[in-house]
Amino acid sequence: QVKLLQSGAALVKPGASVKMSCKASGYTFTDYWVSWVKQSHGKSLEWIGEIYPNSGATNFNEKFKGKATLTVDKSTSTAYMELSRLTSEDSAIYYCTRSPAGSDYWGQGVMVTVSS
Amino acid sequence: DIQMTQSPASLSASLGETVTIECRASEDIYNGLAWYQQKPGKSPQLLIYNANSLHTGVPSRFSGSGSGTQYSLKINSLQSEDVASYFCQQYYNYPNTFGAGTKLELK
Repeated sequence: QVKLLQSGAALVKPGASVKMSCKASGYTFTDYWVSWVKQSHGKSLEWIGEIYPNSGATNFNEKFKGKATLTVDKSTSTAYMELSRLTSEDSAIYYCTRSPAGSDYWGQGVMVTVSS
Repeated sequence: DIQMTQSPASLSASLGETVTIECRASEDIYNGLAWYQQKPGKSPQLLIYNANSLHTGVPSRFSGSGSGTQYSLKINSLQSEDVASYFCQQYYNYPNTFGAGTKLELK
């Protein structure tokens, strides 16, 4: 069955960066876009961007350009998102999803807390 | 960006009742719309894609309809396990955008 297993929660200092992972299993990793979604506490969802593992092609929400970097490792079927220059506004849960039409499978989420 | 206006923000209904949640897009999204259910502390789960296609394993009491800029999610015969938040998402255009969500509670 399709699974997306994300890395664990992160506590990071303001101004630092954090890199999270999303390991896919149960399907051909290179056949589907992987999207990343932000959910701030108690609020709605924001689409950050997506990456196509086969080619490395990306699409971004303008709001997150310069904030998020998306990469993949095809050899391990793992997608990564790095967030840079973190502020309190970046404290949130971040999900990776498989995205054929909308997001049909979601990881369990990574809680990122930005605090000194 | 395409704005997704979702209503109502919250909803209280009785077991067995039929519930409808709506999303209005700021422009035509040509059925590029998904609905998700999210329970507290859990990841969202896909219910409907392409406006009216039921995702694998989703109970048939969930259905989606609409076209153009107006879309709706209907839950027939509300069950206790349907208590959750529901979100719409348009993926017709970049950036994909979500509605603000509807919190569904039991009356």
